[in-house]
Amino acid sequence: GAVVSQHPSRVICKSGTSVKIECRSLDFQATTMFWYRQFPKQSLMLMATSNEGSKATYEQGVEKDKFLINHASLTLSTLTVTSAHPEDSSFYICSASRAGGANEQFFGPGTRLTVL
Amino acid sequence: SQQGEEDPQALSIQEGENATMNCSYKTSINNLQWYRQNSGRGLVHLILIRSNEREKHSGRLRVTLDTSKKSSSLLITASRAADTASYFCATETTDSWGKLQFGAGTQVVVTP
Repeated sequence: GAVVSQHPSRVICKSGTSVKIECRSLDFQATTMFWYRQFPKQSLMLMATSNEGSKATYEQGVEKDKFLINHASLTLSTLTVTSAHPEDSSFYICSASRAGGANEQFFGPGTRLTVL
Repeated sequence: SQQGEEDPQALSIQEGENATMNCSYKTSINNLQWYRQNSGRGLVHLILIRSNEREKHSGRLRVTLDTSKKSSSLLITASRAADTASYFCATETTDSWGKLQFGAGTQVVVTP
């Protein structure tokens, strides 16, 4: 149990386009979902925390108008990278935690975004 | 900013040897967690140790926590080639419930 999926796994887009990444908890209800980005050979940096039905909380330095997060249901959160630029190329990973869980986050497999 | 600092940054060992990596952090924590990541993949949760615990075991993994020194160690015993991965510590601090701050990671290579 506690499987998290991400779609797409890989996306290549032109500069200026918007890209939507989906994060789904497949077999549990995720009260909270987290979005991270990871540059090559670096650690994960938390971008934002989203709770179902409320606005996401962004970490310092993360532009909320550029990285739109929607957590419309207990099993789905989406991250939209708007007007993507090459510097947005990164590995985006979501995670989900469930109510009553032991503070454990379950991670998705990640989405590799390449902006040309 | 990163909460955790890990050392070594990279570790190369042979199968059967033990691998030890350390994590230090700066602020008070509720718990500390260790994850592994295979190249280009998501993270797999390995073990969680709470602030009031000092040691925990899970299979070939042994984790220690010293809150007075704000440090933790992960020991992998009798390593296997399949243990090749990056290992990250992550802390849930007392002032940011639910959010994790990750260390820089240790890249472990186990050669047959």
